[in-house]
Amino acid sequence: KQEVTQIPAALSVPEGENLVLNCSFTDSAIYNLQWFRQDPGKGLTSLLLIQSSQREQTSGRLNASLDKSSGRSTLYIAASQPGDSATYLCAVRNDYKLSFGAGTTVTVRA
Amino acid sequence: DAGVIQSPRHEVTEMGQEVTLRCKPISGHDYLFWYRQTMMRGLELLIYFNNNVPIDDSGMPEDRFSAKMPNASFSTLKIQPSEPRDSAVYFCASSPITRVGGAQYFGPGTRLLVL
Repeated sequence: KQEVTQIPAALSVPEGENLVLNCSFTDSAIYNLQWFRQDPGKGLTSLLLIQSSQREQTSGRLNASLDKSSGRSTLYIAASQPGDSATYLCAVRNDYKLSFGAGTTVTVRA
Repeated sequence: DAGVIQSPRHEVTEMGQEVTLRCKPISGHDYLFWYRQTMMRGLELLIYFNNNVPIDDSGMPEDRFSAKMPNASFSTLKIQPSEPRDSAVYFCASSPITRVGGAQYFGPGTRLLVL
């Protein structure tokens, strides 16, 4: 069974600082890895999708890396803003199933 | 595109009542997923469909839970009878999964409270 772990569980940084969120998974036979953002009381918004053959994906201030062999992914958010405050979830796909981590709750202080 | 649509957005019911949650996937997506999110267990996959056919329902917690997908544009998740421990946020997601792999797109969720 795929186990997904996200560290840290919570993170508080001053505005402008870069964010580094970590995700690890136990079964490296994945199809892809997806990073989501969830605002309080809201649904999940897809941020980045990395295919198993890729090493990284970038979208604006967001960059996600994938090291499939070691079972790790990292989400970098550059120059954080208060609007980045949310919970970030990592999910890995095996077959057609997504397995989620518990998330990292980020607070960016103005 | 309107995205994945779920209804109702909020549901409050009493223990023992039947609850029906509804989902309209993104047009053209072949896969539909039902998830449940709780503080204790996080996000859990309940069941998923491919081309309207249930493929894996191993995540469905009990026989009180059932899901159907009568056509490509509509799915329901039913709980009968409901219990307080069913209180959670239920998400529907759809995906144009290909051989290589595609992203899943989530609806806004239905927040269920069973009293």
